[in-house]
Amino acid sequence: DVKVTQSSRYLVKRTGEKVFLECVQDMDHENMFWYRQDPGLGLRLIYFSYDVKMKEKGDIPEGYSVSREKKERFSLILESASTNQTSMYLCASSSPGGGRTGELFFGEGSRLTVL
Amino acid sequence: GDSVTQMEGPVTLSEEAFLTINCTYTATGYPSLFWYVQYPGEGLQLLLKATKADDKGSNKGFEATYRKETTSFHLEKGSVQVSDSAVYFCALGNTPLVFGKGTRLSVIA
Repeated sequence: DVKVTQSSRYLVKRTGEKVFLECVQDMDHENMFWYRQDPGLGLRLIYFSYDVKMKEKGDIPEGYSVSREKKERFSLILESASTNQTSMYLCASSSPGGGRTGELFFGEGSRLTVL
Repeated sequence: GDSVTQMEGPVTLSEEAFLTINCTYTATGYPSLFWYVQYPGEGLQLLLKATKADDKGSNKGFEATYRKETTSFHLEKGSVQVSDSAVYFCALGNTPLVFGKGTRLSVIA
């Protein structure tokens, strides 16, 4: 069964801490995405990547960075967590045509609370 | 820029009721259109899609028709079940996808 796996379902961090959210996919997909999901705001794209070592800013990249050293792994980094980054984070992957075919595959999400 | 607007929820229905969730879009060209569903505690999954005007996507009793003239892609189901309780997202097929804000559906027995 194909999967997108996010390393942590629930995290609690302190303001100012560095936070790593890891995502691994086993479908050999070129494209990977990080979204955050908030009530009333839906899904907002943070960063995406079309290839190893490539990254593109999404709609809300401020306060975040990403790393894609291997094709199967896409990490989201909060350099200095703040309370307004408390949210559900969703990772997704797709094949190169995924944006047109709609075949995004999502992980189960990582709920981050920043105190 | 491209955008998707879907009806705000939450929507609460009794079992076997008819469901409509409205979705309209603004886009250049003729992108594919999608509905995703997120069940409680899970990530999103593709529910159905339509790739060109007048196409009807269908899955699990849900249907949506790509209407170019009204720039709409409304989701419908004739008889909802408790198990359909979820958040539904309309999306427009660019790379990356453009999502609506989601509509929470609760079906009560």
